[in-house]
Amino acid sequence: AQKITQTQPGMFVQEKEAVTLDCTYDTSDPSYGLFWYKQPSSGEMIFLIYQGSYDQQNATEGRYSLNFQKARKSANLVISASQLGDSAMYFCAIPRDSNYQLIWGAGTKLIIKP
Amino acid sequence: DTEVTQTPKHLVMGMTNKKSLKCEQHMGHRAMYWYKQKAKKPPELMFVYSYEKLSINESVPSRFSPECPNSSLLNLHLHALQPEDSALYLCASSITANTEAFFGQGTRLTVV
Repeated sequence: AQKITQTQPGMFVQEKEAVTLDCTYDTSDPSYGLFWYKQPSSGEMIFLIYQGSYDQQNATEGRYSLNFQKARKSANLVISASQLGDSAMYFCAIPRDSNYQLIWGAGTKLIIKP
Repeated sequence: DTEVTQTPKHLVMGMTNKKSLKCEQHMGHRAMYWYKQKAKKPPELMFVYSYEKLSINESVPSRFSPECPNSSLLNLHLHALQPEDSALYLCASSITANTEAFFGQGTRLTVV
């Protein structure tokens, strides 16, 4: 069965520093994707970045990038030059059994300090 | 346009009330979802509609009744809810399975 683990319940980071949020996964699917979402206190779940298991390169989207290590089954989110607006909950998720259901990690609460 | 619009943003209802949550997207997505999220927890899937047909019901109590009138609209009808149903209800849509889902801002529901 698929499983997602986010080991950091909370993180404090100084503004403008880079941040790495950890995510490890367990799946028996040979082909899978991994999603990262951001949820500010306003509640909206914002899609950030996606990594497919067969993608040759690590995904990047603006200040967000994935450190994808398939052999270690980890897909850490890296946020460069953090901003106050990055303060939020961050969730990683993986599809269950290649269908519509997502297995979610417990989330990491990131607080950026000025 | 990558927007999913949910109304209302906040809702307070009594246990004997009937209310509806609404969700709309105009991205041409054929999968639409309802999630329930408690504070400090990840979202829990409730229902999935695929091509306007209910494809997943995660054993949700019948006091929650979903409806998909067309490919752009998704409703969640609420009746005789319990205080423990108070939560953030999120609607989402995606092109199809295994593609990124776009979420609305959610409805914060309080049952009194």
